[in-house]
Amino acid sequence: KQEVTQIPAALSVPEGENLVLNCSFTDSAIYNLQWFRQDPGKGLTSLLLIQSSQREQTSGRLNASLDKSSGRSTLYIAASQPGDSATYLCAVRPINFGNEKLTFGTGTRLTIIP
Amino acid sequence: DAGVIQSPRHEVTEMGQEVTLRCKPISGHDYLFWYRQTMMRGLELLIYFNNNVPIDDSGMPEDRFSAKMPNASFSTLKIQPSEPRDSAVYFCASSRTGQGTDTQYFGPGTRLTVL
Repeated sequence: KQEVTQIPAALSVPEGENLVLNCSFTDSAIYNLQWFRQDPGKGLTSLLLIQSSQREQTSGRLNASLDKSSGRSTLYIAASQPGDSATYLCAVRPINFGNEKLTFGTGTRLTIIP
Repeated sequence: DAGVIQSPRHEVTEMGQEVTLRCKPISGHDYLFWYRQTMMRGLELLIYFNNNVPIDDSGMPEDRFSAKMPNASFSTLKIQPSEPRDSAVYFCASSRTGQGTDTQYFGPGTRLTVL
């Protein structure tokens, strides 16, 4: 059974700093990995999706990397802003039948201190 | 499009009562997913539908939970009877296809509290 872990559970950094969020998964047979953002009282919003054949994806100040063989992904946020404060979740999609199903990590709650 | 719509946004009920959560997916999306989020277990997939047909309900915790999708624009998740441990945020999501590159769009969730 796939297990997805995100450490740390919470992180506080001063505004302007660069930061890295971590995601690890136990089964490397994945189709892709996705990073989501969740704001309090709201649903999830997709940030980046990395196919299993890719090493990284970039969108603005966000950069996600994937090392499938080691079961790890990172989300790099450059020049953090208070508006980046949210919970970030990673999710993996299996390579086999039923790959509509996502397995989510428990998330990292990020607070950017002005 | 208005996005995925869920109602109610908050529900407080007493143990033993029936609870019905509602979801309207994005028009044109063939897949609909129901998730539950708790502090202890995180975000868990309960059931998902393709073209109104349930495909995988292995995440449904007990027979007290049931889900239906009578048409392409409406789905319900019912809990009968409800218990305090069912307290959680329930999310509905939809996607255009089930293909691996397709993004799931989430609704704002229903926060359920069972007293």
